[in-house]
Amino acid sequence: DIVMTQSPLSLPVTPGEPASISCRSSRSLLHSNGNNYMDWYLHKPGQSPQLLIYLASNRASGVPDRFSGSGSGTDFTLNISRVEAGDVGVYYCMQSLGPPQTFGQGTRVEIK
Amino acid sequence: EVQVVESGGGLVEPGRSLRLSCTASGFSFGDYAVAWVRQAPGKGLEWVGFIKSKLYGETTEYAASVKGRFTISRDNSNGIAYLQMNSLKTEDTALYYCTNSPRGSAAGQFDYWGQGTLVTVSS
Repeated sequence: DIVMTQSPLSLPVTPGEPASISCRSSRSLLHSNGNNYMDWYLHKPGQSPQLLIYLASNRASGVPDRFSGSGSGTDFTLNISRVEAGDVGVYYCMQSLGPPQTFGQGTRVEIK
Repeated sequence: EVQVVESGGGLVEPGRSLRLSCTASGFSFGDYAVAWVRQAPGKGLEWVGFIKSKLYGETTEYAASVKGRFTISRDNSNGIAYLQMNSLKTEDTALYYCTNSPRGSAAGQFDYWGQGTLVTVSS
């Protein structure tokens, strides 16, 4: 199975400041079709998870452009350009290259 | 309006069975892959398995932890997916989410999620 390793696991942030979460996979997520099969999800307290980024760098519908994804192969990053109070929750990376699909451990983002 | 609603959770004894349902509306359900994701108390998200769309043969895949015990199926005409859980173990206790991907091959991009249904396995 592909193992997904996120860092940091806890991220205190200041509103208005940028934030960054890294995710490393144990195997390349780059498919021969040129796509990197990496998603990012945000799980806010008391809510269902929501898709933020798919195929490593594509923002999902309705996601603010403050969120961006980058990376290829085994190293990926989720960036938030200016954190807002409503961005708190647990962020997960998930690889979908092949079954089983696997999530990272999650990064808990909280306001300082 | 897109709606995804899970049901069927509850308290069940170890070794027994339970069937969860996922009822979807507001999108072309038959064209979407359906996955089940769970979250055990105090833990992170865990992928359980998925069923591809009809175009991709409705094939299924499962996590090793549930393979042979859980079965996913779908009824496209009624917009429902099922998770049949047999031989339940205490470690299956979790909030179970149903989610859908427009990529019928189930290669990620799960953009429609239900609110979850709680399964508690305990004697």
